[in-house]
Amino acid sequence: RKEVEQDPGPFNVPEGATVAFNCTYSNSASQSFFWYRQDCRKEPKLLMSVYSSGNEDGRFTAQLNRASQYISLLIRDSKLSDSATYLCVVNKAGTYKYIFGTGTRLKVLA
Amino acid sequence: DADVTQTPRNRITKTGKRIMLECSQTKGHDRMYWYRQDPGLGLRLIYYSFDVKDINKGEISDGYSVSRQAQAKFSLSLESAIPNQTALYFCATSGRELQEQYFGPGTRLTVT
Repeated sequence: RKEVEQDPGPFNVPEGATVAFNCTYSNSASQSFFWYRQDCRKEPKLLMSVYSSGNEDGRFTAQLNRASQYISLLIRDSKLSDSATYLCVVNKAGTYKYIFGTGTRLKVLA
Repeated sequence: DADVTQTPRNRITKTGKRIMLECSQTKGHDRMYWYRQDPGLGLRLIYYSFDVKDINKGEISDGYSVSRQAQAKFSLSLESAIPNQTALYFCATSGRELQEQYFGPGTRLTVT
């Protein structure tokens, strides 16, 4: 089993739709969780950190479910500019190790 | 100006050549990392450094070496490039206390 797993997609959604991605992780000792956005052939950019209490930034909401060992990203009112690959990253506190998922590709259609 | 820069941005080289990729940052972070990204695979860690005197191998360090010349500079070398080192290479930084990583724009390396 991969340490971090994501559905590769693509998720094709119309503008204005709400879309959600999940990411599962295998190590229950994981402490820090992140969502990054990566455009084609560009660097990953931090979208948001994921806190135990969940967090929201505009149209984006991230949740952590420790019992089931997954994190989620919800995007409301999708924009064409949201089209990208979304990477889930899990860090084990106190170690160097950042484990990257292979990403979920989102296409927002006009 | 970008906080994390990488040079060159693109490079084509031949098998057996030595090549150096450079990374500089103005974020004042202690921790720096080198990753490679291949299609269909997640980013994989090559080397990381927590300060100037600390260098550590990542999961795929064979065929690579690094140098941490200063807090702000971390270079990656391929001593004798081979075609399966063709990939997109990213440098990243993170602060001592914060866990988020910040990435440079990447170097697209092709080994023929």
